[in-house]
Amino acid sequence: DTGVSQNPRHKITKRGQNVTFRCDPISEHNRLYWYRQTLGQGPEFLTYFQNEAQLEKSRLLSDRFSAERPKGSFSTLEIQRTEQGDSAMYLCASSLVGTHSEAFFGQGTRLTVV
Amino acid sequence: AQTVTQSQPEMSVQEAETVTLSCTYDTSESDYYLFWYKQPPSRQMILVIRQEAYKQQNATENRFSVNFQKAAKSFSLKISDSQLGDAAMYFCAYRDMNYGGSQGNLIFGKGTKLSVKP
Repeated sequence: DTGVSQNPRHKITKRGQNVTFRCDPISEHNRLYWYRQTLGQGPEFLTYFQNEAQLEKSRLLSDRFSAERPKGSFSTLEIQRTEQGDSAMYLCASSLVGTHSEAFFGQGTRLTVV
Repeated sequence: AQTVTQSQPEMSVQEAETVTLSCTYDTSESDYYLFWYKQPPSRQMILVIRQEAYKQQNATENRFSVNFQKAAKSFSLKISDSQLGDAAMYFCAYRDMNYGGSQGNLIFGKGTKLSVKP
């Protein structure tokens, strides 16, 4: 499968624990995006990378959230000291650079904080 | 800031019939992209159709077409000959056309859940 891959698909964690999600983009794509989707809402932008550089972060991304993309390949999104409000679907998307490029989405990681 | 509004939380259509999903947006930019994405249950979001704001002609992809009204900031999706596989959440999305810039993130509406009745 050459699409965007996200792991794990589901994660249940206790409040206060740290969690980390992984995204493997389409191999030639140099842009990678993270979105958060809560129930009944559309995806909301969190952050994006161009190669290994994190170029933009939304104000939704509190200091408990951190994202990395070492060597411009896969990316990880870590949430520290999880809260119940962090329960959501976390979506990853990738694309080529360019105004006409299409973003391809992964299936997402569903996080439940209990 | 740009916003996208989908005023129909749910819609229903009979198989083989036509349905139109509504979307309005707000922006001060003159050049941008608009998209419709489909998100089936437990599956990834896929692009259905897109429209460049500088193009007057409405985009069409097989059974899917849009009605783009730039002055009214309206971007509706028409699905013709609806099929059971069209049942999904549909999201309208906006993206700046930032020449040479670094942005590329999408701004989504809240979505419309489409049911298709056999």
